[in-house]
Amino acid sequence: GENVEQHPSTLSVQEGDSAVIKCTYSDSASNYFPWYKQELGKRPQLIIDIRSNVGEKKDQRIAVTLNKTAKHFSLHITETQPEDSAVYFCAAPIIQGAQKLVFGQGTRLTINP
Amino acid sequence: GAGVSQSPSNKVTEKGKDVELRCDPISGHTALYWYRQRLGQGLEFLIYFQGNSAPDKSGLPSDRFSAERTGESVSTLTIQRTQQEDSAVYLCASSYLPRDQPQHFGDGTRLSIL
Repeated sequence: GENVEQHPSTLSVQEGDSAVIKCTYSDSASNYFPWYKQELGKRPQLIIDIRSNVGEKKDQRIAVTLNKTAKHFSLHITETQPEDSAVYFCAAPIIQGAQKLVFGQGTRLTINP
Repeated sequence: GAGVSQSPSNKVTEKGKDVELRCDPISGHTALYWYRQRLGQGLEFLIYFQGNSAPDKSGLPSDRFSAERTGESVSTLTIQRTQQEDSAVYLCASSYLPRDQPQHFGDGTRLSIL
């Protein structure tokens, strides 16, 4: 079945530094790659997504890059702030068979003041 | 418009009892997912409905778990003979299409088995 591997599982950075989380996927036909942020006790919320026809997308301090050849995509957060502390999940679709979105294992990001 | 609505928000029950959790997806969303999230853990896929197709039940952990959905409306997740290890937050999500549209999550049901 489809595997979405996410690394690292935990990440700690100093406030103001950048954070990068990487995901790899196995279905070469996958065409949509969202990232979710889950704050403590809250539901996961979509923060950015990218489709396979572009290589990079930015939204203020957040960016996502996609390398279809290598089948990986990354979340980049610049100028990190304490409110960026959360668990982040990537996802990628299975195109064959069940055709559903599969989530990575999550990354717990801690921003140290 | 309204988001994904789940009820109850919290449920405390005794071991061995049956529980039923409800999810109201966003109107027009054809795909509906159920996930289990244990404390401090990731999203564990349980079951997925897409329109009138047969559901993907590959994530259900045991035959005590079942779910129903009529068309593109409300879904219910039922856990029979609850065990303490069933304690978790149960999240429902829906999307307009299953694989290349974002999933929208409800606030979840926090289930505690005493």
